[in-house]
Amino acid sequence: DTEVTQTPKHLVMGMTNKKSLKCEQHMGHRAMYWYKQKAKKPPELMFVYSYEKLSINESVPSRFSPECPNSSLLNLHLHALQPEDSALYLCASSQDRTGALTDTQYFGPGTRLTVL
Amino acid sequence: EDKVVQSPLSLVVHEGDTVTLNCSYEVTNFRSLLWYKQEKKAPTFLFMLTSSGIEKKSGRLSSILDKKELFSILNITATQTGDSAVYLCAVGGGADGLTFGKGTHLIIQP
Repeated sequence: DTEVTQTPKHLVMGMTNKKSLKCEQHMGHRAMYWYKQKAKKPPELMFVYSYEKLSINESVPSRFSPECPNSSLLNLHLHALQPEDSALYLCASSQDRTGALTDTQYFGPGTRLTVL
Repeated sequence: EDKVVQSPLSLVVHEGDTVTLNCSYEVTNFRSLLWYKQEKKAPTFLFMLTSSGIEKKSGRLSSILDKKELFSILNITATQTGDSAVYLCAVGGGADGLTFGKGTHLIIQP
């Protein structure tokens, strides 16, 4: 089973709202990732958690706040977003046995976010 | 800075044709090269390549890596309309995990 699940599938929010995106995997993977993908562009890495610790933050604005409550779950808390933050938000996970982030990443279906 | 360059950026062929997609890279500490297929939603994994010269095959798709010349190709034979998608190449080994290319947008016409 190589399934990564994400909820919700679609989200529309105003600029003053607070919402959260959720990602879950039960493959025993120890690295989890958040990507942002705009139309017709490749995924852009936002955050990486390796063994439940934030290991990479790609200079993402503080209105995006990641959280990894346990090895199977990854959240992305959203607050005071801008319309330009509208995008597909993808979660991925990889086995990451060595902690070097080199294993195959499996992607969830994504959350399509629209900020009004 | 790590770099992954895919070519062509877009390609239109007829059903039944064979296509070759290219991916070249410059990465500080190469570990692996991955190919993904992306239709309307999330990328789906196709191949992971770590060794030079060993072809990986799955049905009509195959891929090979050349670590000396720093590139990989993805071949699709007897293309079908269901092969229409964006094909993403990503290289692992830089500080940030995977570095993605911009993708090749492949359209298969009936």
